[in-house]
Amino acid sequence: EVQLVESGGGLVQPGGSLRLSCDASGFTFSDHNMDWVRQAPGKGLEWVGRTRDKTNSYTTEYAASVKGRFTISRDDSKNSLYLQMNSLKTEDTALYYCVGLIDDIWGQGTMVTVSS
Amino acid sequence: DIQMTQSPSAMSASVGDRVTITCRASQGISNHLAWYQRRPGKVPKRLIYDASNLESGAPSRFSGSGSGTEFTLTISSLQPEDFATYYCLQHNIYPRTFGQGTKVEIK
Repeated sequence: EVQLVESGGGLVQPGGSLRLSCDASGFTFSDHNMDWVRQAPGKGLEWVGRTRDKTNSYTTEYAASVKGRFTISRDDSKNSLYLQMNSLKTEDTALYYCVGLIDDIWGQGTMVTVSS
Repeated sequence: DIQMTQSPSAMSASVGDRVTITCRASQGISNHLAWYQRRPGKVPKRLIYDASNLESGAPSRFSGSGSGTEFTLTISSLQPEDFATYYCLQHNIYPRTFGQGTKVEIK
């Protein structure tokens, strides 16, 4: 069964950091570009960023709203995707999804709340 | 960034109705557009890829059309399970951008 399982969400103060993880199974993770997508409470979907696969040198792309603060990485030996979030703002509060957009594979999401 | 503008933002419709949702891009994106359905409590599910191709397993009452800057998602005969929020996504250039969503509610 194709599966993505996110973890690492929680409550953090503004200006703080958090690292999300996503464990993949049931497909050849190393062959896939992987994305993070988020949804703030009561809002729509927002694409956060992408890491490409080894063939494409693991290059990354980011939304303007997170560029310079968030870093996407991956460890193909562990079938894992990561999202390092620094300098968090209240507007980063959202449900964060690990996604293989090209093949429409979605995790269930992990909630991040930025609040004092 | 490319702005994706969906209309309407919300609508009420009855079972059996024909429903059309529009997505406009702020610049041309060829046919690099997908449509997603988001039911409450469920993860988004892609219905249409490359503007007009029906995803495997998606009901044939869903169809997509358009190219360039204007796109439509049509539901030919609305079913109870179709009451959901629909999003378009452009994947022509980075950053990828979603439309703001169209909530389809029961009349």
